[in-house]
Amino acid sequence: SAVISQKPSRDICQRGTSLTIQCQVDSQVTMMFWYRQQPGQSLTLIATANQGSEATYESGFVIDKFPISRPNLTFSTLTVSNMSPEDSSIYLCSVAGTIPVNTGELFFGEGSRLTVL
Amino acid sequence: AQKVTQAQTEISVVEKEDVTLDCVYETRDTTYYLFWYKQPPSGELVFLIRRNSFDEQNEISGRYSWNFQKSTSSFNFTITASQVVDSAVYFCALSEPGIQGAQKLVFGQGTRLTINP
Repeated sequence: SAVISQKPSRDICQRGTSLTIQCQVDSQVTMMFWYRQQPGQSLTLIATANQGSEATYESGFVIDKFPISRPNLTFSTLTVSNMSPEDSSIYLCSVAGTIPVNTGELFFGEGSRLTVL
Repeated sequence: AQKVTQAQTEISVVEKEDVTLDCVYETRDTTYYLFWYKQPPSGELVFLIRRNSFDEQNEISGRYSWNFQKSTSSFNFTITASQVVDSAVYFCALSEPGIQGAQKLVFGQGTRLTINP
């Protein structure tokens, strides 16, 4: 299995600022994903974090707004840039492809609850 | 494109009643994974089940059971003898397969289940 630690667990931010969310996994994984869950809504995939290359963004999400880093097989960051109240959401990190034994499972972090005033 | 539909936005029942949450999916893939997650008010995603598209056997786990029918593209979830602690939002999700197993997920809109004492 994989245990995911996300930081911060919650934060309150001012409009126009940026916040970086960290996702740390206790084991190496091949795949890392970032999801957004707006209040009262479902989860939507933002992007796939690729190690050593640019993230792959889903339709409607762009790198300038949500820059992502993945320097190694256990860590990734998501930055929410130039925040507005519409960015208030829970941001979740998900991983798959545990190394060395891949169980085919998906794991989710506990989420980072962001409120933008 | 993949799509998951949970037509029931909200369900409210009295404790000890049985309740079924519906999930209908669309995909062109012949191999895929289906999931159910529970999201209690605290916000974390609790994994309930993963089902491979080749495995159509129904599954029972305690008070929970799942009915997978490929012919109707449905993967319904039943809670027997519901309890107040079952109150949560439940998400059905669909994953494309990959060489690493299940990967990024497409989520349904969720069903908010309220169990009244």
